Amino acid sequence: QVQLQESGPGLVKPAGTLSLTCAVSGGSISSDNWWTWVRQPPAKGLEWIGDIYHSGTTNYNPSLKSRVTISVDKSKNQLSLRLSSVTAADTAVYYCTRPRGGAWFDPWGQGTLVTVSS
Amino acid sequence: QSVLTQPPSASGTPGQRVTISCSGGSSNIGSYTVTWYQQLPGTAPKLLIYRTDQRPSGVPDRFSGSKSGTSASLAISGLQSEDEADYYCAAWDDNLNGPVFGGGTKLTVL
Repeated sequence: QVQLQESGPGLVKPAGTLSLTCAVSGGSISSDNWWTWVRQPPAKGLEWIGDIYHSGTTNYNPSLKSRVTISVDKSKNQLSLRLSSVTAADTAVYYCTRPRGGAWFDPWGQGTLVTVSS
Repeated sequence: QSVLTQPPSASGTPGQRVTISCSGGSSNIGSYTVTWYQQLPGTAPKLLIYRTDQRPSGVPDRFSGSKSGTSASLAISGLQSEDEADYYCAAWDDNLNGPVFGGGTKLTVL
């Protein structure tokens, strides 16, 4: 079955760019799937960041759209997230997941904590 | 604030039945199916209920979901200590053109 694993720097400076990758194993990122990033600030709820289809078509949360880029690397079977001009409000655990329809996501990666601090 | 509204906390004793509510609107719950996630401390969300009332394999039938109009509910019967977790509802939203989540309900087993 498909498994997801996020990775990237755990600390990013304010005004910098957050960059994460999500490795997909047990399946091809080029299969007929969308892929999604979701984040969760400490002690808060979940927030959808955006989706990407393996063809490169994207759909972003309007509140983050000006700062977000999601991409796929088929050769590495992974997807990436870039979030620019970060502030302390972007401190969160970032998850990659696979949408199955609507708000049905499964599986999820284990998540990676990114702290924005100088 | 979250688009979907959940009570911040709920509690029950072992063996009891507990219900967690999730209130939305016509652009989300009123038009689409609801998903529920269970999140144990320090772990990723785990799919609990999809398509409003469907359980993935491995989820005990003590967990059930339902929907009426623009509100949904998660019921847990025969409450067990391992059910102590945060629970989130979610649904697609036409205004966002993406999924929206509830703020989460922390379930305590007394």
